[in-house]
Amino acid sequence: SQQGEEDPQALSIQEGENATMNCSYKTSINNLQWYRQNSGRGLVHLILIRSNEREKHSGRLRVTLDTSKKSSSLLITASRAADTASYFCATIPNAGGTSYGKLTFGQGTILTVHP
Amino acid sequence: EPEVTQTPSHQVTQMGQEVILRCVPISNHLYFYWYRQILGQKVEFLVSFYNNEISEKSEIFDDQFSVERPDGSNFTLKIRSTKLEDSAMYFCAWTGFGDTQYFGPGTRLTVL
Repeated sequence: SQQGEEDPQALSIQEGENATMNCSYKTSINNLQWYRQNSGRGLVHLILIRSNEREKHSGRLRVTLDTSKKSSSLLITASRAADTASYFCATIPNAGGTSYGKLTFGQGTILTVHP
Repeated sequence: EPEVTQTPSHQVTQMGQEVILRCVPISNHLYFYWYRQILGQKVEFLVSFYNNEISEKSEIFDDQFSVERPDGSNFTLKIRSTKLEDSAMYFCAWTGFGDTQYFGPGTRLTVL
């Protein structure tokens, strides 16, 4: 798989359920960032997790990072119809200690939350 | 994080024409980036820009592309001679003093 691959590719759930999306990557990273994109719109930053962190929370979002498995997960709890969007993970490689490098994106997970 | 603007929101051009896409960031932004997303595909890095110089560019960013920050405010991406395959959403992005990259709303470029 390529750097920053999400699964599943599509996820359909009912309002109130939890949604879990996974991301795998291949090379050593400095940090991993999750973004949301509504159809045809811009990318909204959700959360950043650094390589020395294992878990972060932000509101209904919970992100985990397992650098030994080169994987991350995004959990959205108590989902709402407004959470319907594409979700992308993106990584910055661990290169010379800088955290300002290019982001490498995955294909994304399309989440549909039914009212 | 304050909003930035990208203009135009939608640009339609004929193949072979030059286009200039603009991003108006906030003055204290540090690093600037351009990415593109072809319809239905993943977001791809084009170029990063720091201290008025290109710091990194991808294979996509060939001689047809250029970036500059001519007046210290606008950050522009120029495509000299557009091709059909340049049709995509183009996003500028930036960081401040943290390492989070924030994205603009994008410009949809359609090359006919």
